[in-house]
Amino acid sequence: AQTVTQSQPEMSVQEAETVTLSCTYDTSENNYYLFWYKQPPSRQMILVIRQEAYKQQNATENRFSVNFQKAAKSFSLKISDSQLGDTAMYFCAFMKHVSSGGSNYKLTFGKGTLLTVNP
Amino acid sequence: SQTIHQWPATLVQPVGSPLSLECTVEGTSNPNLYWYRQAAGRGLQLLFYSVGIGQISSEVPQNLSASRPQDRQFILSSKKLLLSDSGFYLCAWKRSGNTIYFGEGSWLTVV
Repeated sequence: AQTVTQSQPEMSVQEAETVTLSCTYDTSENNYYLFWYKQPPSRQMILVIRQEAYKQQNATENRFSVNFQKAAKSFSLKISDSQLGDTAMYFCAFMKHVSSGGSNYKLTFGKGTLLTVNP
Repeated sequence: SQTIHQWPATLVQPVGSPLSLECTVEGTSNPNLYWYRQAAGRGLQLLFYSVGIGQISSEVPQNLSASRPQDRQFILSSKKLLLSDSGFYLCAWKRSGNTIYFGEGSWLTVV
């Protein structure tokens, strides 16, 4: 079974600074997808960034970027120029295709890292 | 546009009462649909997923059930709620590009 580990339950960063959230995963699959989701106090789960395992280039979305190390099974999220609105729980997630009578994909989450951006 | 909605947003139910949470998707056909639960202070746990009408797969044995009566409708139900069913429930769907997006969530408190 796939597992996703986020070793930092809580982190804090000063506004405008950079912070990196860690994530490791365990799988025997070669083709899969990795995600970072953000869950602000409203509790809605919002996609931050997405990475396909077959792509060597690290994904980037504005101030958010990842460091994807496939051999090490590591997928960290870097937030640059942190803003107060970045305060949220961040979840790392792993998705693979499941052949079970249809085209289905299963998403497995880590336990999350609570990030607080301080003014 | 493609959107997902779930309701009700908040629900307080007594132990032993029934439950029905509904999720609908718009702007697509034959989506993969999912129900997740997030207990307090914990990550998300996949409860059910569906690849088509009437096709439901359960991930964990529990007091809940799911149904998909229409292509874009996914319902989470219980005949008799337990205190342990309290939590935040999220419906989700897989869009093109193999990415899963979530609804707004439903808070369930069983008292």
